[in-house]
Amino acid sequence: DQQVKQNSPSLSVQEGRISILNCDYTNSMFDYFLWYKKYPAEGPTFLISISSIKDKNEDGRFTVFLNKSAKHLSLHIVPSQPGDSAVYFCAASSSNTGKLIFGQGTTLQVKP
Amino acid sequence: KAGVTQTPRYLIKTRGQQVTLSCSPISGHRSVSWYQQTPGQGLQFLFEYFSETQRNKGNFPGRFSGRQFSNSRSEMNVSTLELGDSALYLCASSFDRGYADTQYFGPGTRLTVL
Repeated sequence: DQQVKQNSPSLSVQEGRISILNCDYTNSMFDYFLWYKKYPAEGPTFLISISSIKDKNEDGRFTVFLNKSAKHLSLHIVPSQPGDSAVYFCAASSSNTGKLIFGQGTTLQVKP
Repeated sequence: KAGVTQTPRYLIKTRGQQVTLSCSPISGHRSVSWYQQTPGQGLQFLFEYFSETQRNKGNFPGRFSGRQFSNSRSEMNVSTLELGDSALYLCASSFDRGYADTQYFGPGTRLTVL
């Protein structure tokens, strides 16, 4: 039962363009969403989060959008840089359980 | 501030053996969560400890257990290892509870079961 899904295993974009990573969830009780980035041989690092009371959160080049009716969130990176090449995980949690549920990850490659 | 540390970084075991992994959280953090990462499965939640008590548990068999000490350091134990237990095991710490708190991850322990 995959409650958080990242349907695109990989994404390739040109440097300077926009990267859009998508994530779908099934559990309507989720009320907090996060994005993590992971480089090889390192643990995931926190990027940005959003509460279910918002539909957008921005931090520098990173913006997360939440569409609760569609149970969909996306991460926009503008402009994309080669250093952004990594695996991106979306995650969701609820105040009921406190568990953080991760998607399978999307590998982003930003080409110079 | 020092980050989350995990030891050992790499481990090779054979089927049927047991293994203990260690995690030292960021100073002041009281919540420690453990995750298993395997190809295609993403990160799967194992359990969370807070103030020496298991607060949450994922859907893993009883062979997977953990504990937390008074200094918030945590250990994870896997008994009767199976080939499918080969994975990257990550621990993450946060100040309070995992929910709505940013979790900071360690580099992981790569376990290989032969």
